[in-house]
Amino acid sequence: LAKTTQPISMDSYEGQEVNITCSHNNIATNDYITWYQQFPSQGPRFIIQGYKTKVTNEVASLFIPADRKSSTLSLPRVSLSDTAVYYCLVGDWRMNYGGSQGNLIFGKGTKLSVKP
Amino acid sequence: DVKVTQSSRYLVKRTGEKVFLECVQDMDHENMFWYRQDPGLGLRLIYFSYDVKMKEKGDIPEGYSVSREKKERFSLILESASTNQTSMYLCAIRGTGDYGYTFGSGTRLTVV
Repeated sequence: LAKTTQPISMDSYEGQEVNITCSHNNIATNDYITWYQQFPSQGPRFIIQGYKTKVTNEVASLFIPADRKSSTLSLPRVSLSDTAVYYCLVGDWRMNYGGSQGNLIFGKGTKLSVKP
Repeated sequence: DVKVTQSSRYLVKRTGEKVFLECVQDMDHENMFWYRQDPGLGLRLIYFSYDVKMKEKGDIPEGYSVSREKKERFSLILESASTNQTSMYLCAIRGTGDYGYTFGSGTRLTVV
């Protein structure tokens, strides 16, 4: 299972663009990269997923270089409500479970604090 | 919207009690998971189930058991609660081939 490394915390101000990078040096060919957001006292929620190059949705963009050993979550023009913990996960989502190889590992995440 | 419902948001139990945490989903998904979340440690997988009556240990199964008698319900059982099991417990689901987990709102359990 691919292990991920993220910064423990980041600070930003309202209106800025925030980029959170995740390292996953041993990513496998079939692995996808997925990001989750978690607010205090809530479960994590899905933000975005990608395999290579760039993916964009209404919330964020995900940049993945050609070697796929890292990825960057980009949040445009953050607001106070974007203050949360962001998790990067790597794994093959298509696998069904018959063992732990289908599981994905949540790391400690990146705590983003957005200030006025 | 997919719903994952955890029976309680907050629970306070005494040491030695048997504790049941219930999770119910409305999407007929095969895979269900129990995590616990502690400050500085992130989410850690306790148990998961990929079908009715099927279960597998996660990373920290000691002190816990699970039950999945029906597809929509996955229960986490603390046979004899201890203070080191004070934590936030999160249930999640995922469909086969689906790309995302859906989490419940969590149960904050305090064992005194």
